[in-house]
Amino acid sequence: TQLLEQSPQFLSIQEGENLTVYCNSSSVFSSLQWYRQEPGEGPVLLVTVVTGGEVKKLKRLTFQFGDARKDSSLHITAAQPGDTGLYLCAGANNAGKSTFGDGTTLTVKP
Amino acid sequence: DTAVSQTPKYLVTQMGNDKSIKCEQNLGHDTMYWYKQDSKKFLKIMFSYNNKELIINETVPNRFSPKSPDKAHLNLHINSLELGDSAVYFCASSHSGTAIQETQYFGPGTRLLVL
Repeated sequence: TQLLEQSPQFLSIQEGENLTVYCNSSSVFSSLQWYRQEPGEGPVLLVTVVTGGEVKKLKRLTFQFGDARKDSSLHITAAQPGDTGLYLCAGANNAGKSTFGDGTTLTVKP
Repeated sequence: DTAVSQTPKYLVTQMGNDKSIKCEQNLGHDTMYWYKQDSKKFLKIMFSYNNKELIINETVPNRFSPKSPDKAHLNLHINSLELGDSAVYFCASSHSGTAIQETQYFGPGTRLLVL
């Protein structure tokens, strides 16, 4: 079983601060995705990274896939209350089967 | 237009009862999934179907039986409900289920509470 551990589990910060969330595994993944889930809703895909070392930016969010394709990070610059939610990473194997991480709950206070 | 819909959104029932959750997707996808999200927000896959065929069946009690009448629908029937079944159940779909870059589209979830 491929396990994905996210850290921190909980993060509460003030609006305007920067933060980084990590997703780590001992397994190699063919791709890694980040989802955000808002209260009462299902997860929504933010990004997919495929190549080791790949960096993708989505406005204030920067995603990086580790060189060995075992880990990933999500960095948010100048966090806003609208960024509040549960962030989930998901690693896919060669067959496309995804395993989700245990999640990071982010609260951004105005 | 809702891409992936689930009914009901809330389900409160007594231990021992049998209940069903329905899921429909209008995206034309070939693959559908059921996930269970526990109180700690851990999202764990239960089943996946591709064109009405069972592809993934994780370690799930046989009280849980998925049924896919067609590729746009994947229902989940649960027999003899137990307290530990209380969770949020998410349905999802993706284009083929085999591509490593595929997006999974999730429904809004069904909040099941077993008393």
